[in-house]
Order: sequence, then C-alpha cells, then structure tokens
Amino acid sequence: DTAVSQTPKYLVTQMGNDKSIKCEQNLGHDTMYWYKQDSKKFLKIMFSYNNKELIINETVPNRFSPKSPDKAHLNLHINSLELGDSAVYFCASSQLPRLNTEAFFGQGTRLTVV
Amino acid sequence: TQLLEQSPQFLSIQEGENLTVYCNSSSVFSSLQWYRQEPGEGPVLLVTVVTGGEVKKLKRLTFQFGDARKDSSLHITAAQPGDTGLYLCAGEGEGAQKLVFGQGTRLTINP
Repeated sequence: DTAVSQTPKYLVTQMGNDKSIKCEQNLGHDTMYWYKQDSKKFLKIMFSYNNKELIINETVPNRFSPKSPDKAHLNLHINSLELGDSAVYFCASSQLPRLNTEAFFGQGTRLTVV
Repeated sequence: TQLLEQSPQFLSIQEGENLTVYCNSSSVFSSLQWYRQEPGEGPVLLVTVVTGGEVKKLKRLTFQFGDARKDSSLHITAAQPGDTGLYLCAGEGEGAQKLVFGQGTRLTINP
C-alpha cells in the first residue's frame, strides 16, 4: 500500500500543452510538497501546503498552479508547457511543516516536453 | 538563501572500501537529514541529526553533525554494491517550513 502515490509516472507532451500531475498520501499527514529535480539531480522545493493552505510558494512561474482539494491530495497543474519544464517532479508529505519530521516522497513523475 | 554543498558529487569505488561524503554550509541548521535515492524512486530518509556533534550509526553507515551545526558527514564502512545510489543531505530552510537539499553525491560501488 503506497504511502505517497503520484500519477502518471511518465508524461511526454508537446510544448504549449496543459498537463496535470496528481498526488495522494494515505499517511494522514497535514503537510504536502511539490519538488522539482532537474537533470543534475538537484531537488528544489516548489510549493508546500499545510492542511490545504498554501504556506510556501517559491519562485515558480505562474504557469504552475497547485491545487489541494483536501489534505490528502495535492495536484500540480502546468499551463503552456515549455522545454525547460522537463524534469522529474516529486510529491512529498510530512506530519508537520517542521523538518525534524520525516518527509515521505512519491516515486516521481518524469515530465518530458518535446 | 541557505545552501548545502555536497562533496564529492560523484564517487566510484570498489566493494569493501570505506568512504566519506560531506555536506557543508555557511549557515547554521537546526537539523540535517540524509536521504538516499535509487533510480526511478523518490528519496528515502536515512537519518536526522539534531544536536551539534551528534553521531548516529545505521549498520555500516555513520552520520555526524558538526559541532557548529553547519556541516555533516556520512561515512560508509566496507561499502557494498547495495549501497549504490544518490545520497542527499537536507536541512531545514529559512522559516523552518521547507527542506533545502544539497546537490547530491552519486555513489557507485563496483563488485
């Protein structure tokens, strides 16, 4: 039973399209995150939600819009996809926003924009 | 901006050898975490160190938090091919509401 699950695992799409990545956690955590891992494996936070409320919004283009319908789900919608959006996107969750607690990561979604 | 720099970025050694990976910053962190990531998977937490000077052991892995809480190290004894992976250190970022990751050390243990 997967703790943090993302779909799809792979996504290949053309420039200009709009796409969504879904994330669900069954751990009962209050906090969820989206991270982007580039080709050099650098993980950078994009967004953080605590109990459906946005608490972190890093310098991310407006084309990226997270949506949290409930505290178990945090979806990522991307408009007008660009080549530079190609990366692996990870969803994660933790019990608290504070980081002495463990963050659990999904398997990642490999997005390729062509 | 709090930055974590890991070294080396790539390390390839033979099975049975010992190795140390470093995670350094100019900033003080209240805690540091080490994650391991395998291909096609998300990072998985190995350990969290909280107290300056703290040493934690996980089988053949030894983690140390610097006295000033600005750096950490991961030492692996008698490395095995199963230790192969991407090792990431992470610290609590400003505002204490996000993890800031280092760029990772890609470790390959050759049989």
